[in-house]
Amino acid sequence: NAGVTQTPKFRVLKTGQSMTLLCAQDMNHEYMYWYRQDPGMGLRLIHYSVGEGTTAKGEVPDGYNVSRLKKQNFLLGLESAAPSQTSVYFCASRGQGGYRSNQPQHFGDGTRLSIL
Amino acid sequence: AQKVTQAQTEISVVEKEDVTLDCVYETRDTTYYLFWYKQPPSGELVFLIRRNSFDEQNEISGRYSWNFQKSTSSFNFTITASQVVDSAVYFCALSTFNFGNEKLTFGTGTRLTIIP
Repeated sequence: NAGVTQTPKFRVLKTGQSMTLLCAQDMNHEYMYWYRQDPGMGLRLIHYSVGEGTTAKGEVPDGYNVSRLKKQNFLLGLESAAPSQTSVYFCASRGQGGYRSNQPQHFGDGTRLSIL
Repeated sequence: AQKVTQAQTEISVVEKEDVTLDCVYETRDTTYYLFWYKQPPSGELVFLIRRNSFDEQNEISGRYSWNFQKSTSSFNFTITASQVVDSAVYFCALSTFNFGNEKLTFGTGTRLTIIP
């Protein structure tokens, strides 16, 4: 029962390098999300997807790109990493349903990313 | 705009004491959901409870209880007879929908330390 799996769990990058974080869910969820967690700021939404082939910007999208080519995967890319992107990144997924649905977001274990 | 305020940054109590974590929210929507998540030292986010704006019944689950009051826009969380395993950061979150797309806003979290 994997749920939401994020890879890698840890990564150190140099400024200017690029990388992709992978999120995979096995619950057949329509909605997927990428958040970043910074001290004292809670979780902030970067990008999200409401279905395969769709993406949308969240609260803090600058410097990130995403893709949802397959329903079960949601990729977060950093094209040119900056120290300000040092953070813990969480992926989440949720089943389809409107405001009366009973479906909370399920989170992965997080990816700790450091940009030097 | 929506907002979640967790005014208590850190709380420490001695084991077996009761403790209440406060959550105050702001939204213009009349339909919304409220959540509590737990983040233990291991870092993952664990879903605890979800409440919709139409249901103000308080809920009890073992040592956990939640008090939802629309009149004061609060959704407080009480742990009775606290245990060391309750030590974690607790996040309150508010969910609203716009044309089927969910916006989930987190508070900044309350770090709870249970002293043995």
